Amino acid sequence: DGGITQSPKYLFRKEGQNVTLSCEQNLNHDAMYWYRQDPGQGLRLIYYSQIVNDFQKGDIAEGYSVSREKKESFPLTVTSAQKNPTAFYLCASSIPLRPLYGYTFGSGTRLTVV
Amino acid sequence: RKEVEQDPGPFNVPEGATVAFNCTYSNSASQSFFWYRQDCRKEPKLLMSVYSSGNEDGRFTAQLNRASQYISLLIRDSKLSDSATYLCVVTSMDSNYQLIWGAGTKLIIKP
Repeated sequence: DGGITQSPKYLFRKEGQNVTLSCEQNLNHDAMYWYRQDPGQGLRLIYYSQIVNDFQKGDIAEGYSVSREKKESFPLTVTSAQKNPTAFYLCASSIPLRPLYGYTFGSGTRLTVV
Repeated sequence: RKEVEQDPGPFNVPEGATVAFNCTYSNSASQSFFWYRQDCRKEPKLLMSVYSSGNEDGRFTAQLNRASQYISLLIRDSKLSDSATYLCVVTSMDSNYQLIWGAGTKLIIKP
């Protein structure tokens, strides 16, 4: 079955560490997205990519980095510059500019700073 | 003012009742509207798109009021399994079709 796989499900980071969250899709979608969700808040866009080797900053890109070397993969690195990284991270994909089809989400990664 | 606003709830509703909640949006150029459902500690899942003429999917009815800039979701004959957070989502050409998310309305169906 086609879908999006995020790993790991839970991740613990020490202060000052960089960590990378994995996102892989086999839906043949061109567009991929990273969102952050905090308790009681809507999803906020971190980065998005509409085509391989190209990506754009979202509303809260500071302290994060991404790459899009393959259509199927869109990893997110949470750097030490992100001061409050504890959150639920969601990866999604879609057909670009076809919002009526909605987005498909991965099951998320819950990141905690220890 | 937030771009998409929802009453956070929780709405505590007895099983079998009808419940409705609204979502207001600030951008009059918004073009597409969705309701997503999110279970606790899970990813959001598309519940239904909202069409200009209103649309129904089983026990769920969605309405759009462009003049007052809000969308609504009505759930009839509510089930225990309807307990979740319902997220309102809006998009427009202005935002390059990026989804703008509300913070969600929490619904609890009680037996």
